[in-house]
This record gives sequence, C-alpha cells and structure tokens, in this order.
Amino acid sequence: DAKTTQPPSMDCAEGRAANLPCNHSTISGNEYVYWYRQIHSQGPQYIIHGLKNNETNEMASLIITEDRKSSTLILPHATLRDTAVYYCIAGYAGNNRKLIWGLGTSLAVNP
Amino acid sequence: GAGVSQSPRYKVAKRGQDVALRCDPISGHVSLFWYQQALGQGPEFLTYFQNEAQLDKSGLPSDRFFAERPEGSVSTLKIQRTQQEDSAVYLCASSLSPGVRTEAFFGQGTRLTVV
Repeated sequence: DAKTTQPPSMDCAEGRAANLPCNHSTISGNEYVYWYRQIHSQGPQYIIHGLKNNETNEMASLIITEDRKSSTLILPHATLRDTAVYYCIAGYAGNNRKLIWGLGTSLAVNP
Repeated sequence: GAGVSQSPRYKVAKRGQDVALRCDPISGHVSLFWYQQALGQGPEFLTYFQNEAQLDKSGLPSDRFFAERPEGSVSTLKIQRTQQEDSAVYLCASSLSPGVRTEAFFGQGTRLTVV
C-alpha cells in the first residue's frame, strides 16, 4: 500500500474551515484514499474515502488532485469536538486489514 | 449493541501472565480486525477474520499472540506470557462486508499495561 505523509499538527479557529493536507505520491491507480480520525482515548472513526472524484458527506469533503498524488480533507465549520488526530491512508477497497496508518495530523480547534 | 464493544477497557498484567481481550462486533458484520496501537503511533494491523475464518494473521508479532472467532461473531485476542513491549491499546474493528462497504467501525479499545 502507498505511504502517506501529513503535517504533524495544525490549528484551526472554531467555526472556520479546517483544511488537512495529505501527500500520497506513490498511490496506485486502484488504491483509495481513506480518512479516519481519532479523538483522545477513543477508537478511530471513519470520515470519508474516495478514488479520484471529489467526495462529500455529512462530516466532510475530500478533494483529490487530478494526478491523485495528494488530497485535502475539509471540515467546513470546525467545532471544538473536531479536535482529534486525523489519519490519511491509501489502500485497496475492501482491504481494511492492509491499511497502513501513519502518525496522522493532530488538529486542535481553538475557541 | 449499536457499536463495537471491547472489554475490558483497561487491563494491567504482570509480566508473564496470560491475558484475553474480548471484542463484540456490530451484529451482522462479516469482517473483523484487530489492531495494536502504541502510544503516539497509528494503529498497526494484527489479524483479520471473515466470519469465523482467520484469513490473515500476518501482523501478529509473535506466536504468543492468538486470535479466534469461533462462531463468526465475538472474537478474543489472547496474549500468552505477556512482555512489557506488549503494552499498548488493542483495537477491534468490524465492517459489514469486505467488498461492499469499506469503512471499518472501531471499538474504544483495551489499554493493556504490562508491569
């Protein structure tokens, strides 16, 4: 599976959009980009995933560049409850067992 | 229940002791995964079940680690002769089906501390 790189930490003001970048320059054509987050002392929570088209759900939007070498997770109106570690993972669909998790980005949403 | 349930939430074991960690996946979920998460790190894959079949155990760090899911629902991760390096959070996750929906639902984890 492709490795991903993310900034170790980011800050965001409450109510503003949080844009979390991820580089996955070695992603292969049929690997998806998954985003999970982990709030302190809890298990990871699925956010969104995509292959090459931009995706949106009730939690977030995922913007994938045309060359698929990078993506951005957008939380449109960050709240204090969005403070968490956000993981960007590249892997094959249906192959959760082989998802390789990096260190993620620790997002702090400030009042 | 509504989500993945793991027990116990916390476990302290003396070095050399055997431990068993339990996972109750979401009802009807075919796939079940175990991960190990060291402090400050992302989760690392341990093993995968599809129903009762253990299809992948390539992530188990040693033969002291053993997992089972005999009836295709509840799973147990057993660690024999625990060592200090086994101290971590053990996460269980389930998903509906490997090929239909790809998101995994995680439990809160069991924090194992070996002293």
